[in-house]
Amino acid sequence: EAAVTQSPRNKVTVTGGNVTLSCRQTNSHNYMYWYRQDTGHGLRLIHYSYGAGNLQIGDVPDGYKATRTTQEDFFLLLELASPSQTSLYFCASSDAGDSAETLYFGSGTRLTVL
Amino acid sequence: QQKVQQSPESLSVPEGGMASLNCTSSDRNFQYFWWYRQHSGEGPKALMSIFSDGDKKEGRFTAHLNKASLHVSLHIRDSQPSDSALYFCAAIRTGGYKVVFGSGTRLLVSP
Repeated sequence: EAAVTQSPRNKVTVTGGNVTLSCRQTNSHNYMYWYRQDTGHGLRLIHYSYGAGNLQIGDVPDGYKATRTTQEDFFLLLELASPSQTSLYFCASSDAGDSAETLYFGSGTRLTVL
Repeated sequence: QQKVQQSPESLSVPEGGMASLNCTSSDRNFQYFWWYRQHSGEGPKALMSIFSDGDKKEGRFTAHLNKASLHVSLHIRDSQPSDSALYFCAAIRTGGYKVVFGSGTRLLVSP
C-alpha cells in the first residue's frame, strides 16, 4: 500500500505565527493533495499538485501557500496563522494516470492556532 | 453549498445489522465515486469505488450508483463493531483530478 508520511503529528502556534506542514510519499505518485478536515464540512481541498514545481488551487486556498519541491515532497505553508486555521490537515497522493485513481492519505497533522 | 451531500450525519446499528449510507451529488459532471472510511486517529482509506450504474459488491459491502439521479449508496450487511468509523463519499469529474468529499456519516455499530 502507498506510504504517505506527514509531520509533525501535532503543532501548536499563536496567531500570526509561521507554520510549515510537511508531506512525503514514497510511491512516485504524480498527484499530491492537501485537505483540511473540520466537523460538518468533511474534507476540503486546499491545494494540489501534479508534479514537482506545479501547484493548483483547491476550494479553500485563502491563507495557505503550498510548494512541491520534488516528486515526493509537498509542503503547506501558513505564513500568518489565524485561529480559523485550527484544523486537522491531511496530505494525500494518487497515481492519477486518469480520473479514476484512489487517494492514499497520511495520518494527519492536528494544528492549533491560539 | 457542498457539491456532494451525505445522509444521515450519524447512524447507529446493532452488531449483525444492516447499515445504509447515502450520497447525492449536485454536479452532473461527477462520474466517478468512491467510499472512504476513517477510523479514529487515522487518515481516510479507500473502501470501494463505483463508476457504472448498478451495484458493486465487495464482501459485506455493496455500493449502488444511479447516475441519472446522481445518487450513490453504501450498504454494509452483518455490521461489525470494527465498522464503526466515519464514512466519506467522494466524487470526481471525468478528465478531472480534483476529488470532492462529502461531510461524512458517522457509523456506530453496537455489540
